[in-house]
Amino acid sequence: GENVEQHPSTLSVQEGDSAVIKCTYSDSASNYFPWYKQELGKGPQLIIDIRSNVGEKKDQRIAVTLNKTAKHFSLHITETQPEDSAVYFCAASRELTGGGNKLTFGTGTQLKVEL
Amino acid sequence: DTEVTQTPKHLVMGMTNKKSLKCEQHMGHRAMYWYKQKAKKPPELMFVYSYEKLSINESVPSRFSPECPNSSLLNLHLHALQPEDSALYLCASSQVTLFFGPGTRLTVL
Repeated sequence: GENVEQHPSTLSVQEGDSAVIKCTYSDSASNYFPWYKQELGKGPQLIIDIRSNVGEKKDQRIAVTLNKTAKHFSLHITETQPEDSAVYFCAASRELTGGGNKLTFGTGTQLKVEL
Repeated sequence: DTEVTQTPKHLVMGMTNKKSLKCEQHMGHRAMYWYKQKAKKPPELMFVYSYEKLSINESVPSRFSPECPNSSLLNLHLHALQPEDSALYLCASSQVTLFFGPGTRLTVL
């Protein structure tokens, strides 16, 4: 089955700095890669995603890159703010034959943005 | 409307109780999911429903029983749970992108 590794497990940055989180997946059938932000006591919230036919995608301060050959994908947050503090999960997704999608999550990164 | 709603927000139950978790979405998504999340861990897939039929059961114990009454609703019936079943239970729906609800925080005494 799919295995997704995520690093680092914790990341502390100063406000205004950039943060980078990296993930590696194993299953070549995975073709969609979402990133979720989870605040304490809440459900995961989609922040950005990328499909396997795209190398890079940007949305304001957030960008994601995908290297399909190396099976690596990364999240980049620029100009970090205290409200960016949360747990971030990467995921690799493939379609299920019966319908729906199977997400395999990385182990999560606790991001702390310090003033 | 990109919202998945879940009730109740919190649930405390004894090991002999029967309770149900409820989930609703009105985005027209045809796939719905139950996930279990323990503290400081990623969500773990339990069940997938596609077009109101169960398509994936990730070897979940029978004390968890899912039900999909229609395309907008998903229930999870709980019976004879164990303390180790205490967790955050997340519902999600999708066309491709999964959208998660806020979860039900379950405590089994």
